[in-house]
Amino acid sequence: QLQLQESGPGLVKPSETLSLTCTVSGGSISSSSYYWGWIRQPPGKGLEWIGSIYYSGSTYYNPSLKSRVTISVDTSKNQFSLKLSSVTAADTAVYYCASIAVAGTGWFDPWGQGTLVTVSS
Amino acid sequence: SYVLTQPPSVSVAPGQTARITCGGNNIGSKSVHWYQQKPGQAPVLVVYDDSDRPSGIPERFSGSNSGNTATLTISRVEAGDEADYYCQVWDSSSDHQVFGGGTKLTVL
Repeated sequence: QLQLQESGPGLVKPSETLSLTCTVSGGSISSSSYYWGWIRQPPGKGLEWIGSIYYSGSTYYNPSLKSRVTISVDTSKNQFSLKLSSVTAADTAVYYCASIAVAGTGWFDPWGQGTLVTVSS
Repeated sequence: SYVLTQPPSVSVAPGQTARITCGGNNIGSKSVHWYQQKPGQAPVLVVYDDSDRPSGIPERFSGSNSGNTATLTISRVEAGDEADYYCQVWDSSSDHQVFGGGTKLTVL
């Protein structure tokens, strides 16, 4: 059974780059059966899809964030990562990673527990 | 880009039926997924592909999708169902994922 766990700094300064990692257990990130995705949720607000990646490296990004986002896969560590550049207070959110079954129609399951990232000087 | 519209809140008495809608242009042609999120927790998939339930999700949770509206129905509502609910689709034309704004379900 797949399990995902986010990790990374909880505090990032404005204009810097937010970097998070999602570690996958119970399955291989190189599996052709899954995409891997990032979703965020600002405090008190709804869910926002950030982007997704296939093990081959194909990426799909939210147009509103595309210019600042990079998602990559590290198969040697069974991890995938998120980098968001030039952050502002508006990027303060709980960041979740999740898997997406290739054979399905795009649902996210399971999700990691989430990690709060605060952008502040 | 594709937009999903949910009512901000729905209230229902225990034992009654809650219906949470998700509106989108011709959403009936897409597969709709629903998530439950309780305070301080990650979202949990409760319905996928319009009306299928993952293992472990009670039969009280069901879904439908037609025309411009998808609906999550929760029968015999319990206090433990109080949560935020989000709909989601994959927009195949753009390869983008889209979430609705979320609906807060209050059990009176």
